[in-house]
Amino acid sequence: TQLLEQSPQFLSIQEGENLTVYCNSSSVFSSLQWYRQEPGEGPVLLVTVVTGGEVKKLKRLTFQFGDARKDSSLHITAAQPGDTGLYLCAGSYSGGSYIPTFGRGTSLIVHP
Amino acid sequence: EPEVTQTPSHQVTQMGQEVILRCVPISNHLYFYWYRQILGQKVEFLVSFYNNEISEKSEIFDDQFSVERPDGSNFTLKIRSTKLEDSAMYFCASGGERNTEAFFGQGTRLTVV
Repeated sequence: TQLLEQSPQFLSIQEGENLTVYCNSSSVFSSLQWYRQEPGEGPVLLVTVVTGGEVKKLKRLTFQFGDARKDSSLHITAAQPGDTGLYLCAGSYSGGSYIPTFGRGTSLIVHP
Repeated sequence: EPEVTQTPSHQVTQMGQEVILRCVPISNHLYFYWYRQILGQKVEFLVSFYNNEISEKSEIFDDQFSVERPDGSNFTLKIRSTKLEDSAMYFCASGGERNTEAFFGQGTRLTVV
């Protein structure tokens, strides 16, 4: 079973602060997704990265895929209370069929 | 915007009863998945479905579980004889032709009493 680690597990910050969360694996991803999940709802897809070194931006969110395709980061600039939620990464591994495997997520709280 | 829809949103059932969870995937998608999330735990893969058959399944997806795509639009998950530990959020997801990402429904909260 492939293991996908996310850190930190919890993050509590003030509005306006910047933050970075991480997603790591010992295996190479063929593709990786970042999702945001709110309590009682399904994960909502934010971005997909496929190419090593790829950087994608979604407003104040910047997603980076590691050169070796084993890790990824999500950076949020000037966090807002509306960014509060569980941030999940899900990857599919090289050599296999596409089955997203989820990490435990980073639970982010942004205080006004 | 196209979305995956799931019904019911909540289901309470007695232990030992059969339940059917329903999903309507995004219309032109070809790949279908069921996941579950026990309260406070990670999202876990159950099964994937492509070309009218199961393509992969996890250890969780034992003989109690089955999936069907009965009419070309619906995708169902059946649990034959529910156990207390089946209580969880069940998510359906679908993926398009490129098969590099999955879009999730809002989930069905199943409570077995």
